[in-house]
Amino acid sequence: AQKVTQAQTEISVVEKEDVTLDCVYETRDTTYYLFWYKQPPSGELVFLIRRNSFDEQNEISGRYSWNFQKSTSSFNFTITASQVVDSAVYFCALGSNFGNEKLTFGTGTRLTIIP
Amino acid sequence: EAQVTQNPRYLITVTGKKLTVTCSQNMNHEYMSWYRQDPGLGLRQIYYSMNVEVTDKGDVPEGYKVSRKEKRNFPLILESPSPNQTSLYFCASSEGLAGLKETQYFGPGTRLLVL
Repeated sequence: AQKVTQAQTEISVVEKEDVTLDCVYETRDTTYYLFWYKQPPSGELVFLIRRNSFDEQNEISGRYSWNFQKSTSSFNFTITASQVVDSAVYFCALGSNFGNEKLTFGTGTRLTIIP
Repeated sequence: EAQVTQNPRYLITVTGKKLTVTCSQNMNHEYMSWYRQDPGLGLRQIYYSMNVEVTDKGDVPEGYKVSRKEKRNFPLILESPSPNQTSLYFCASSEGLAGLKETQYFGPGTRLLVL
């Protein structure tokens, strides 16, 4: 069975600080996909990134970066120089691709950026 | 404009009264999915569909039905709603046969209250 753990329920940081959101996953599949989604206070779900299990390169997109480590089954998300607009709930998710396209989400981390 | 629409956005109903939440996408996507979001539990997948007439259960399918008669529509049916189905529901779609390889687009959500 697949499982995603986001141990940090809530995080608060002061604006301009860096913050890392942790995501640990469990799967028996050799090929899988990892995702991060953002849910701002308005409620919509916004796709941030998708990562294939065979590609362990870290990725940077502006102030966002993702660190994928297969050895520790982690896919952590870092926001550099945080801004108030980054305040949201962030979800990590895990999907498989062997004729069983289920997607399993973590319980989310609520990030509050204090001005 | 590429979008996933859901209707209704808000619904209050009573136990046992059948209801349908519609979901429609205009991107010709093959993969569609339904999730429910509950506090402390994150998002959980209810059902997904790989293509017309192809549907499968997610992690929490009990009490729900779906159908995929056309590519663009994926309605969620609650034959006999119960209070434990009070939740925020999201529909999503993505392109390609292997839906999880691609970006998922989410609808705006349907907030359901079952009395």
